[in-house]
Amino acid sequence: DAGVTQSPTHLIKTRGQQVTLRCSPKSGHDTVSWYQQALGQGPQFIFQYYEEEERQRGNFPDRFSGHQFPNYSSELNVNALLLGDSALYLCASSFRGQFYEQYFGPGTRLTVT
Amino acid sequence: AQKVTQAQTEISVVEKEDVTLDCVYETRDTTYYLFWYKQPPSGELVFLIRRNSFDEQNEISGRYSWNFQKSTSSFNFTITASQVVDSAVYFCALRVPQSNTGNQFYFGTGTSLTVIP
Repeated sequence: DAGVTQSPTHLIKTRGQQVTLRCSPKSGHDTVSWYQQALGQGPQFIFQYYEEEERQRGNFPDRFSGHQFPNYSSELNVNALLLGDSALYLCASSFRGQFYEQYFGPGTRLTVT
Repeated sequence: AQKVTQAQTEISVVEKEDVTLDCVYETRDTTYYLFWYKQPPSGELVFLIRRNSFDEQNEISGRYSWNFQKSTSSFNFTITASQVVDSAVYFCALRVPQSNTGNQFYFGTGTSLTVIP
């Protein structure tokens, strides 16, 4: 049973560039949430996708956008990167009908220079 | 507004000692869920336990135990006979059901536990 997978593992970008992170949910899950975890902090909720639509959004600017595909996988896009966007980006999947805990992926470490 | 506070930033214990990680939460909702996650150096958050607001029964699972007290809005986590493999950052999280899937989590800032051999 494959868990949540994320790619790439690490990424280095320059200020002003754009980045796309990818996530495949755990088998059987249809909901994907994205979190940003700055160094030494807890994860901060970015947004959640279900049925290919953004359902909820945290306090993040429009530079952060996403997409969910019919196979439930998801992408997180960040435009006009800032140094402060450097963080571990975590993807979590869950199943709508169960309201159970989320399963997290290993994350993508983004460094903006 | 929802908030989770983990006042302990770092804790060090010697192997085989017991250790308790504190968590205090804030919410005005009467229905909510509390979680503990472990984050080893690899970065992946590992689910440990979930409790809903209607279940104050405390639980022991192996070396782990949890103390949920609504009266003090606390959800503390204890590891007995700690082991080096327990070294990690531990996060307490709160989920308040929203419309649709209701999976927005509010995390504390984490407690870094180091178990010294």
